[in-house]
Amino acid sequence: DTAVSQTPKYLVTQMGNDKSIKCEQNLGHDTMYWYKQDSKKFLKIMFSYNNKELIINETVPNRFSPKSPDKAHLNLHINSLELGDSAVYFCASSQVAGGEYTQYFGPGTRLTVL
Amino acid sequence: GDSVTQMEGPVTLSEEAFLTINCTYTATGYPSLFWYVQYPGEGLQLLLKATKADDKGSNKGFEATYRKETTSFHLEKGSVQVSDSAVYFCALTNSGYSTLTFGKGTMLLVSP
Repeated sequence: DTAVSQTPKYLVTQMGNDKSIKCEQNLGHDTMYWYKQDSKKFLKIMFSYNNKELIINETVPNRFSPKSPDKAHLNLHINSLELGDSAVYFCASSQVAGGEYTQYFGPGTRLTVL
Repeated sequence: GDSVTQMEGPVTLSEEAFLTINCTYTATGYPSLFWYVQYPGEGLQLLLKATKADDKGSNKGFEATYRKETTSFHLEKGSVQVSDSAVYFCALTNSGYSTLTFGKGTMLLVSP
């Protein structure tokens, strides 16, 4: 049973295109996240959603638009892709209500912009 | 703001050697501390955690103790295996919505 899943695992596309990455968690958690891992392996938070509401947006360009149709899903849409968007994107989830802060990560989506 | 500092890698060891990866943090309040591991080509897996001072997290032979007085959470393992080769991330969370602040990661390479 996959706890946090992402699709696709790999995404290769041209500059200027629009693409989406999907994330689903079956842990019943109330909070979901998107992180970006750059080529040097550094991980940084992008967005956080709690019960479908945007809580944190860490100065990410407007070209990135997260959408949470329900508590179990958090998708990431990227418009007008740029070379610098090439990275691995990780989705994660946690149960914040109740004070359990452990985050569980998906397998990642490797985005390559040509 | 919060920050996590890890020792630079790569750390290169022979099988059965003792491992220490240093991690120190700066944070207000009482953060929860984590070690995550990323095997080649894979996602992040939680390795262990500690939520309050003097707690010891342990898993798969790895352990780390939350030291508030030295703001540290060093990762140790008594005898590493080739299969432990991976990138190890120290991280903390210190907010109601628990976003993680990561260190830069330390690559561990274990040779037979």
